[in-house]
Amino acid sequence: GESVGLHLPTLSVQEGDNSIINCAYSNSASDYFIWYKQESGKGPQFIIDIRSNMDKRQGQRVTVLLNKTVKHLSLQIAATQPGDSAVYFCAEKRSNTGNQFYFGTGTSLTVIP
Amino acid sequence: NAGVTQTPKFQVLKTGQSMTLQCAQDMNHEYMSWYRQDPGMGLRLIHYSVGAGITDQGEVPNGYNVSRSTTEDFPLRLLSAAPSQTSVYFCASKTGGIADTQYFGPGTRLTVL
Repeated sequence: GESVGLHLPTLSVQEGDNSIINCAYSNSASDYFIWYKQESGKGPQFIIDIRSNMDKRQGQRVTVLLNKTVKHLSLQIAATQPGDSAVYFCAEKRSNTGNQFYFGTGTSLTVIP
Repeated sequence: NAGVTQTPKFQVLKTGQSMTLQCAQDMNHEYMSWYRQDPGMGLRLIHYSVGAGITDQGEVPNGYNVSRSTTEDFPLRLLSAAPSQTSVYFCASKTGGIADTQYFGPGTRLTVL
């Protein structure tokens, strides 16, 4: 989930298990969401996105769920692999701020072989 | 396509020095932006541009200048570096559509002594 402190939330999973990473947002004007993966020393990499008129979107091994009622977003990674170890964070775009994105602090995922 | 490129990858400055972080993209994207990433915090928008000749301030613009003379390039200038500007800087670009993914460069790690 989101962090307001200096330490990232962490999630450790066994290789082959499914991972669920959560993100909360607070602005009801948010209309587009993206999940990013960031490996150490690299820039954020797009994983999957979802518009606010949808509640679920699937990609290859990843699914994003959007619950607008409670302003909650989740990323599900199926059959987690060691290469999935990274920091994952969500970004939201608010319809009342043009093209600006607002980013969460991220969750650090560690996959145990 | 090379995507979004940034130079330099690492930089150390002394307080008061000035420098320019370079960013270029070869995807003909209209929208470009600069973010800084600090420990325990999400990416924060410094400046952005919706097209050549147009720039605007983001969430944390103080101490930074930008210009956009071409579609491809969006340099970020630190006028008089301060230790508080020690951070990792990411440039991103996307098309001008409402729900379009931002693509990030590899980042510049800046230390101000």
